[in-house]
Amino acid sequence: GESVGLHLPTLSVQEGDNSIINCAYSNSASDYFIWYKQESGKGPQFIIDIRSNMDKRQGQRVTVLLNKTVKHLSLQIAATQPGDSAVYFCAETPGTYKYIFGTGTRLKVLA
Amino acid sequence: EAEVAQSPRYKITEKSQAVAFWCDPISGHATLYWYRQILGQGPELLVQFQDESVVDDSQLPKDRFSAERLKGVDSTLKIQPAELGDSAMYLCASSSTGNGNTIYFGEGSWLTVV
Repeated sequence: GESVGLHLPTLSVQEGDNSIINCAYSNSASDYFIWYKQESGKGPQFIIDIRSNMDKRQGQRVTVLLNKTVKHLSLQIAATQPGDSAVYFCAETPGTYKYIFGTGTRLKVLA
Repeated sequence: EAEVAQSPRYKITEKSQAVAFWCDPISGHATLYWYRQILGQGPELLVQFQDESVVDDSQLPKDRFSAERLKGVDSTLKIQPAELGDSAMYLCASSSTGNGNTIYFGEGSWLTVV
């Protein structure tokens, strides 16, 4: 069935380094993608989004890359900080009103 | 900054009891969602409203769960009777429209069924 998955369940990164979190999606009809950050005990927080007519979008310290050929999405965090420690989810909308979430990647920032 | 409000934040209930969660979406958002999130997993949609109408409740266990949004603004999710397996975080989210727009989540309501 339709699914959004992540390659790495846990990612440990040294403070100050760049982080790359990956996501694979299965529905080629998906036209909108969102990255969320979820801190322990809190609801998911919107980070950045991208539509299928783009392959890159930049925000403050974050960049999302979309490769439709291989159905791959990535989130890059520059100069990772301790406050970036959280679980990151990607979500896709396969041309309907549904938002499909993956299981998440835990980012651990090492001091 | 506008937020999705949820209450209660934490709820402990005994199995077979009734429990209810309340959500107030961002003002002007016509679409409201209830998700369930089990620890370590991504959110799973339970029910979606467009204004006061249910547009998707295919994953809602209707024998024990119910949801309403009578005036198309705030919403209530009820579980009766609660079961041990219902222990999870219940997230409310809203968006200005239901397709291809960002959805914003509340802080969630943690349910523990004992």
